[in-house]
Amino acid sequence: EPEVTQTPSHQVTQMGQEVILRCVPISNHLYFYWYRQILGQKVEFLVSFYNNEISEKSEIFDDQFSVERPDGSNFTLKIRSTKLEDSAMYFCASSPQGLGATEAFFGQGTRLTVV
Amino acid sequence: QKEVEQDPGPLSVPEGAIVSLNCTYSNSAFQYFMWYRQYSRKGPELLMYTYSSGNKEDGRFTAQVDKSSKYISLFIRDSQPSDSATYLCAIAYNNNDMRFGAGTRLTVKP
Repeated sequence: EPEVTQTPSHQVTQMGQEVILRCVPISNHLYFYWYRQILGQKVEFLVSFYNNEISEKSEIFDDQFSVERPDGSNFTLKIRSTKLEDSAMYFCASSPQGLGATEAFFGQGTRLTVV
Repeated sequence: QKEVEQDPGPLSVPEGAIVSLNCTYSNSAFQYFMWYRQYSRKGPELLMYTYSSGNKEDGRFTAQVDKSSKYISLFIRDSQPSDSATYLCAIAYNNNDMRFGAGTRLTVKP
């Protein structure tokens, strides 16, 4: 069964460093998302991406964050200068036709630890 | 304000019980409703997706939506210990922005 895959599963980085989290969405899906979950808290929306551009972003997704679809299969989240409070699980999701028509499927997440 | 409220529990039931999980939301613009199951430190796993008021059944799971009351429910029949997890409701108003509840932690005891 097709699935969303995320790498790495766990990333440790020093404060101020740049990190890139990688995702391979399900083939033929058109909508892509990043969410994060700080330990013990809600899953929070970061950004959605469609047709090679950001379609919506939350107030969390500030100038330190960026997303890219560098080729036909990968979808990346970059954090330019990590802060301690960026420590969280980051989930990538994809949807065939967007939430208004179909469901979104999540990857297993990348646990980011900023020290 | 786009908010989704969900009782975090924890909820503990004996094996075989019927489980009822609920969420309320405040914005009538929300139109698309999902339930996910999440095991510890894993990604959310989709259980149900629906967009209309009424019931939708899939095996032991039934999702119920009442748009007039802004209330959604997930029922689990004949609950099993393997159903022990955190259950997340998620609600969207367009293709892009899905808002999650806090999650209800469920334990099904053998």
